[in-house]
Amino acid sequence: KAGVTQTPRYLIKTRGQQVTLSCSPISGHRSVSWYQQTPGQGLQFLFEYFSETQRNKGNFPGRFSGRQFSNSRSEMNVSTLELGDSALYLCASSASGTGRAGYTFGSGTRLTVV
Amino acid sequence: GQQLNQSPQSMFIQEGEDVSMNCTSSSIFNTWLWYKQDPGEGPVLLIALYKAGELTSNGRLTAQFGITRKDSFLNISASIPSDVGIYFCAGQPPYNQGGKLIFGQGTELSVKP
Repeated sequence: KAGVTQTPRYLIKTRGQQVTLSCSPISGHRSVSWYQQTPGQGLQFLFEYFSETQRNKGNFPGRFSGRQFSNSRSEMNVSTLELGDSALYLCASSASGTGRAGYTFGSGTRLTVV
Repeated sequence: GQQLNQSPQSMFIQEGEDVSMNCTSSSIFNTWLWYKQDPGEGPVLLIALYKAGELTSNGRLTAQFGITRKDSFLNISASIPSDVGIYFCAGQPPYNQGGKLIFGQGTELSVKP
């Protein structure tokens, strides 16, 4: 069974640009969550999608957005990039998103903003 | 907002020693999860706990969901070099609409052969 796939693995962007990251969940999983990991703040929840609907949102500015497609693949977008957006972005998939089946993480996308 | 306090922040131990780390919170959680993260990779689930008082083992790893639902610990017995990494606790808040985990700050484990 294929795991959670995130693309690209590495990305370098310039301040002010926008970026789109992709996450393909485990087959059959309908919940996809996104997290930002930085040395200073640790792992912070961004948002969660279930069956194409955003069910939960963390405390991030509106520059961070996401969506989920009918095949459960998800994308997150960051507009007007700032230096502080440099981080490892992780997505996690779950069958239900209730925690009962656990959450499986991808290897992440390392975003560097210069 | 809800926060998890994980301790210790780092541990330097000798191969073969036992390890213990814990997480506490001022709020209750419905689920406690323990993850390990290696450099450049995403966290990998080690143990999941779903009920207060639950004690679960996975090989040399044992974790417990605290009775008060506000804490959890992870023990690793007879550590080996491949146990090196960062261990995170994560809790799922009650009345959660889904998908949201609160993470501890992590415990960095170093094992000396």
